[in-house]
Amino acid sequence: AQSVTQLGSHVSVSEGALVLLRCNYSSSVPPYLFWYVQYPNQGLQLLLKYTSAATLVKGINGFEAEFKKSETSFHLTKPSAHMRDAAEYFCAVSEGSSASKIIFGSGTRLSIRP
Amino acid sequence: ETGVTQTPRHLVMGMTNKKSLKCEQHLGHNAMYWYKQSAKKPLELMFVYNFKEQTENNSVPSRFSPECPNSSHLFLHLHTLQPEDSALYLCASSRLGTSGGAGELFFGEGSRLTVL
Repeated sequence: AQSVTQLGSHVSVSEGALVLLRCNYSSSVPPYLFWYVQYPNQGLQLLLKYTSAATLVKGINGFEAEFKKSETSFHLTKPSAHMRDAAEYFCAVSEGSSASKIIFGSGTRLSIRP
Repeated sequence: ETGVTQTPRHLVMGMTNKKSLKCEQHLGHNAMYWYKQSAKKPLELMFVYNFKEQTENNSVPSRFSPECPNSSHLFLHLHTLQPEDSALYLCASSRLGTSGGAGELFFGEGSRLTVL
């Protein structure tokens, strides 16, 4: 069975600092992995996805994530945080190509300090 | 015009009321979903419709009744709800049958439901 764990329900960084949001997954087959972002009072929006091509995936808004099979991790990073990055971030895993099989993590709230 | 539109954005109802949430997607997708998002809980998949046919019902109480008249519209009919049903209800859509990749989800902005 697949599962996903996000370490840290709340992360706070200073503007301009490195953003690192952690995600570990469990899957019995090569997974598809996703990061979604949710801004206040909005739905979720896809940031990036891994589908067994390049292990370093670049997404929108300067975010990227690296798939590390040996560590079963898919951490999200951004070199320099901006105030507009304040949002909830969700890691998700899927063992199949059907979107109905996507399992979401509990989310990490990212706060940006001026 | 956003890809997935949900109405109403906010809804307050009593436990004896009957109301409906509406979702419309303009992306040409053939699968639609209802998710429940409660505070401090993971996103919960409620229902899945593929080509208008319900393919998943994740043990959702019968006081929630989905309807999918066509591939572009999805409703969630609500009746005799409980206060613990208060949450953000998110609609999503995706394209099925895409080879070589996962079917990513496109979400609406959600309907914030409060049950008094």
